[in-house]
Amino acid sequence: GESVGLHLPTLSVQEGDNSIINCAYSNSASDYFIWYKQESGKGPQFIIDIRSNMDKRQGQRVTVLLNKTVKHLSLQIAATQPGDSAVYFCADTFSGGYNKLIFGAGTRLAVHP
Amino acid sequence: EAQVTQNPRYLITVTGKKLTVTCSQNMNHEYMSWYRQDPGLGLRQIYYSMNVEVTDKGDVPEGYKVSRKEKRNFPLILESPSPNQTSLYFCASSLTGGDSPLHFGNGTRLTVT
Repeated sequence: GESVGLHLPTLSVQEGDNSIINCAYSNSASDYFIWYKQESGKGPQFIIDIRSNMDKRQGQRVTVLLNKTVKHLSLQIAATQPGDSAVYFCADTFSGGYNKLIFGAGTRLAVHP
Repeated sequence: EAQVTQNPRYLITVTGKKLTVTCSQNMNHEYMSWYRQDPGLGLRQIYYSMNVEVTDKGDVPEGYKVSRKEKRNFPLILESPSPNQTSLYFCASSLTGGDSPLHFGNGTRLTVT
């Protein structure tokens, strides 16, 4: 991931809408990518991961898309719920290394009823 | 329940007074790591450990020590804390490092006056 500065970008969505959170990474050697969710007062929580031999992976209500050509990762959340309100981080690493994850600065998702 | 446990959750101390933040995981993970999280700077790695008795520096190791005498425990030691070490600290573990997701504790908020 890449740091985007002091102020976290915020995505505001209505409950029930789909959310798309984007992330750019800089290391072209990265081959393992993870999305984390961090709620207030808690540690980052693993959501979904994807390896570079895939361009899409689906979980429960979440989908991660990987575009290696432009070094871009996105997280799609279907039917967003108030409980999805949190800060979302992407992280990337080269799996042949020592698990040095590079974290993005995060995007705040605000879900409105 | 599989988890990473940190203690204490909150700690206020004075400059120069040695302190230890404990971290324990019950998942038999080989890899453990400490991060600090600061506004605008994201998550930065302090130290990591690939296995028992194997530790190495991350991006911001100055002023910190760690030890890994047992697989489950990875304490963070501040021998002489300074105000610039005021931060939110997270311990994390993963099965092998490299291409397995990190699992985080709930954090320790440290204030050094």
